[in-house]
Amino acid sequence: EAGVAQSPRYKIIEKRQSVAFWCNPISGHATLYWYQQILGQGPKLLIQFQNNGVVDDSQLPKDRFSAERLKGVDSTLKIQPAKLEDSAVYLCASSLAGGRKDQPQHFGDGTRLSIL
Amino acid sequence: AQTVTQSQPEMSVQEAETVTLSCTYDTSESDYYLFWYKQPPSRQMILVIRQEAYKQQNATENRFSVNFQKAAKSFSLKISDSQLGDAAMYFCAYRSLKLTFGTGTRLTIIP
Repeated sequence: EAGVAQSPRYKIIEKRQSVAFWCNPISGHATLYWYQQILGQGPKLLIQFQNNGVVDDSQLPKDRFSAERLKGVDSTLKIQPAKLEDSAVYLCASSLAGGRKDQPQHFGDGTRLSIL
Repeated sequence: AQTVTQSQPEMSVQEAETVTLSCTYDTSESDYYLFWYKQPPSRQMILVIRQEAYKQQNATENRFSVNFQKAAKSFSLKISDSQLGDAAMYFCAYRSLKLTFGTGTRLTIIP
């Protein structure tokens, strides 16, 4: 089975520019997550989708971050405008059924974002 | 809010030896799951092992096993017969409504 696909793998931008990340989850996985992993820390959940609806976006900085999953499959995460503190790895994950605590989340390779 | 603490930023072990990584968590809930994830330099988070809170028996997956002490809110990972491929960051994670990660332990394997 193909894993979670993410692109790009690396991105370097200047502060105040915009950037977008793309994620394609494992086929059949209804739940999709975006995490932010700052250097030296564990991943932190930004947003969770169940199909194309948002389940939890409580830690998403909505003044600059946005995410969508229009057809319940692929998802994009956007930052506009970027700040220096947004430098991090952005991980996408998916699972079969988000409401079940035992369901493991399958992660992609992430996008490393550097803000100059 | 739930918190997960990994007090060992770095650990090292000789190849073929055994190492234990520590994890404690704080919660008032009784129904939850605990996970250990491995993150190699490729950055992909790989599930190593999981434990159901209501199960007394410690989970085991080949060379990986846990010591789950629910009353003490402790969830350590033991890696037996360490191999070079085990070198990575290891994250302990707690899941109730959402997955909360610790800050990780970098494991180095000494040949």
